Amino acid sequence: DAGVIQSPRHEVTEMGQEVTLRCKPISGHNSLFWYRQTMMRGLELLIYFNNNVPIDDSGMPEDRFSAKMPNASFSTLKIQPSEPRDSAVYFCASSGNGGPRNEQFFGPGTRLTVL
Amino acid sequence: KNEVEQSPQNLTAQEGEFITINCSYSVGISALHWLQQHPGGGIVSLFMLSSGKKKHGRLIATINIQEKHSSLHITASHPRDSAVYICAVSFGGTSYGKLTFGQGTILTVHP
Repeated sequence: DAGVIQSPRHEVTEMGQEVTLRCKPISGHNSLFWYRQTMMRGLELLIYFNNNVPIDDSGMPEDRFSAKMPNASFSTLKIQPSEPRDSAVYFCASSGNGGPRNEQFFGPGTRLTVL
Repeated sequence: KNEVEQSPQNLTAQEGEFITINCSYSVGISALHWLQQHPGGGIVSLFMLSSGKKKHGRLIATINIQEKHSSLHITASHPRDSAVYICAVSFGGTSYGKLTFGQGTILTVHP
């Protein structure tokens, strides 16, 4: 199994530009989570999906952030327009059936730098 | 507000020492996760437990539901154990496994 795949691994962009992060969950998993990690705030949940449906987006910081999951094998996290304070590592994770007692498998992360 | 607290925040040990990292939480949970993050940044799930104790190699995780407390133990520590260890909890109901994270414990094991 290839595990959770994220792309790009690194992204450097200028303030105001649109950024799109991509995630492919483990095949057969039906829950997908987007997390952000910063030095100041640690790991935070941004949004999660179950069966492609957004369940809780209360962690999405602003309207500049949006996430979609058009099918079971693909999700995107978009920031438009990007700001320097969005610089962080963004992780995607997936789990089997999304229950509270299921292990989550993390992707390698995308390190985003907004100049 | 649900909170997850870890201690210590930083831990330095000599190779071979027994290590304990603690995690406490403020409300009832469905499960507790221990994660490991190496300097390269990848996050790996070590344990998920809802009661009792689990062991994998030199790692042992315990949880006391009544006291809302969990510990991660490393026996015979090795420099390759140097990493950040993160405690996270998930709640029941319709939370679909949503995790709330502790701030992490930075472990450095010297040879």
